Formats: sequence, C-alpha cells, structure tokens
Amino acid sequence: TQLLEQSPQFLSIQEGENLTVYCNSSSVFSSLQWYRQEPGEGPVLLVTVVTGGEVKKLKRLTFQFGDARKDSSLHITAAQPGDTGLYLCAGVKNAGNMLTFGGGTRLMVKP
Amino acid sequence: DTAVSQTPKYLVTQMGNDKSIKCEQNLGHDTMYWYKQDSKKFLKIMFSYNNKELIINETVPNRFSPKSPDKAHLNLHINSLELGDSAVYFCASSQDSGGGNEQFFGPGTRLTVL
Repeated sequence: TQLLEQSPQFLSIQEGENLTVYCNSSSVFSSLQWYRQEPGEGPVLLVTVVTGGEVKKLKRLTFQFGDARKDSSLHITAAQPGDTGLYLCAGVKNAGNMLTFGGGTRLMVKP
Repeated sequence: DTAVSQTPKYLVTQMGNDKSIKCEQNLGHDTMYWYKQDSKKFLKIMFSYNNKELIINETVPNRFSPKSPDKAHLNLHINSLELGDSAVYFCASSQDSGGGNEQFFGPGTRLTVL
C-alpha cells in the first residue's frame, strides 16, 4: 500500500476536455508538491502547496490542498496535447526533505 | 546549461556485473538524492546526501553504495547486479535538506540487467 494514492492511474481524453486528478492519503503532510514527467526525462516541479485549503493556479492548471492536508487535486481546464505526461504528487512529512511520491497519473490528450 | 546531469543515459549489462552511475549538479545545492523508478513508474527514494554526508538511507540492499566526493557529485555504484535492479535511476538535488524544497531531477539512467 502506497502512502499517497493517485487516481486515476490512466486517463485518455480529447483536446479541450477538462479533467481532475486526485492524490489521497490517510497521513498529514506539511507540504505537497505536484510534478510532471515527460517520457525520457526527469520530473519537473509544477507547484508546492503548504496551507490546508490552499488553491494555486498555473495557467490552465488549478491545484488544491485539502483542508486537513491529507489530500490534493489537480484540475486541468481545456486540456491540450502538450499536457500529456505523467503527473506525480509528492508529500513531505514533518522535518527533512524526504519526498514520498504517489504512483502517478498517466495523462494522454489526443488532438 | 544542464542543471542536473547523469551518465550514462542507458546501461545494459549482465547479471552479476558491477556498474556505476554518475551524477553532477551545477546549481550549488547542498542536498542530492538517488531515486529508483520501476516499470510501473513508481518513484522511490533510495539515498539522500547533504554536504557529502548521508542523511537518508531507505531500505536498499547493501549492493548499492552511494559516494559523494563533493557536494556537487553523487555517484551510485551497484555490485552484483540482479534482474530486479532493472529500472530508471534518477539523481536529484535541492537547495538544502529542509522540508518542501523543490527537487531538480536529472534525465535518468535506464538500467537493463540481462
């Protein structure tokens, strides 16, 4: 059992559709990060959320941290083929910088 | 300019061999990491070094030995390679070992053990 569960694991949609990816845990995190990984490359940080209930926007991407800091969601509006990739959430517990990653959501946006 | 670089990009070897992967970061960061990403894309931390000192060592077989000659380099040596070691290995760095810092990842080394 993973500490952070992401759903769905796979998502294939048409360009222009909206989607939401979830990252859930029974543990509390001091902060949570979202990364995107493209094939053949390492993950790249999209956003860090630290406050319960926090909402951050990055163009068409909206990130929310749950009030209890146990879960997070990523919403993409009007998805584009360039959004295709593996989306990973990662949480930090207490002190130290050890990131625990979720299993990832593989998103494919078809033109 | 490449922030975190790894060599080699691909590594194909026989079971039982010993191999090394090198990592360098030019970001001036104090902390470096090694991660293993399996075929299901699950990314798991293996080691973390802060200023050349080991600070995190997850449950990793002692066939894996990280070495940090200076804070810009963190190499990974693997002895007696096994089939299950096949994976993509990522090096990463962050400003320091404080919680929540952004981690910068290298491009990965795809290791295939035959």
